[in-house]
Amino acid sequence: AQKITQTQPGMFVQEKEAVTLDCTYDTSDQSYGLFWYKQPSSGEMIFLIYQGSYDEQNATEGRYSLNFQKARKSANLVISASQLGDSAMYFCAMRGVSGGYQKVTFGTGTKLQVIP
Amino acid sequence: SQTIHQWPATLVQPVGSPLSLECTVEGTSNPNLYWYRQAAGRGLQLLFYSVGIGQISSEVPQNLSASRPQDRQFILSSKKLLLSDSGFYLCAWSLGTSTDTQYFGPGTRLTVL
Repeated sequence: AQKITQTQPGMFVQEKEAVTLDCTYDTSDQSYGLFWYKQPSSGEMIFLIYQGSYDEQNATEGRYSLNFQKARKSANLVISASQLGDSAMYFCAMRGVSGGYQKVTFGTGTKLQVIP
Repeated sequence: SQTIHQWPATLVQPVGSPLSLECTVEGTSNPNLYWYRQAAGRGLQLLFYSVGIGQISSEVPQNLSASRPQDRQFILSSKKLLLSDSGFYLCAWSLGTSTDTQYFGPGTRLTVL
């Protein structure tokens, strides 16, 4: 069974500072993928970044980077130079195989608030 | 580029009434399609997924059903809504590639009274 754990219900960060959102996962699959999504108050889920389990380098997309530590089963999201528009819910997710098909499991989310 | 539409955006329905939510994808062929539900302040729960026309798999037993009458159309239905059906319903698509990134629509906020 797959499991995603986000232990920070809420986080605050000062504008222009960097912030790390934690995510740990549990899976018995050898091949899997890890995702981060942003959900602003409008509700839409916005894809941010992807990391494959066999990728040797950490994924980066603009101000977003994924700190992938396979041995620790963690996939933390780092947002550099926070902006007010980064205030939102952030969800970590994992793609693996369950019941014979690829399934994505989501964490419970972290609410990030950027302070001016 | 691909786009995904959902309607209606918001819906208020009485208990026991029927439901029909529609999702359509443009700009791609034969996508995998998904319906999720998000209760207030919670994560996403996968309800249904489809890999092709007429092919629907259910994740959890409930009074909801899904259909895929066309390649890029996915419909979520209920014959009789329950109070517990209230929530935010999100449709998503993916290409079934090795990364299989899912892209979400704007969602439908359903309130059952």
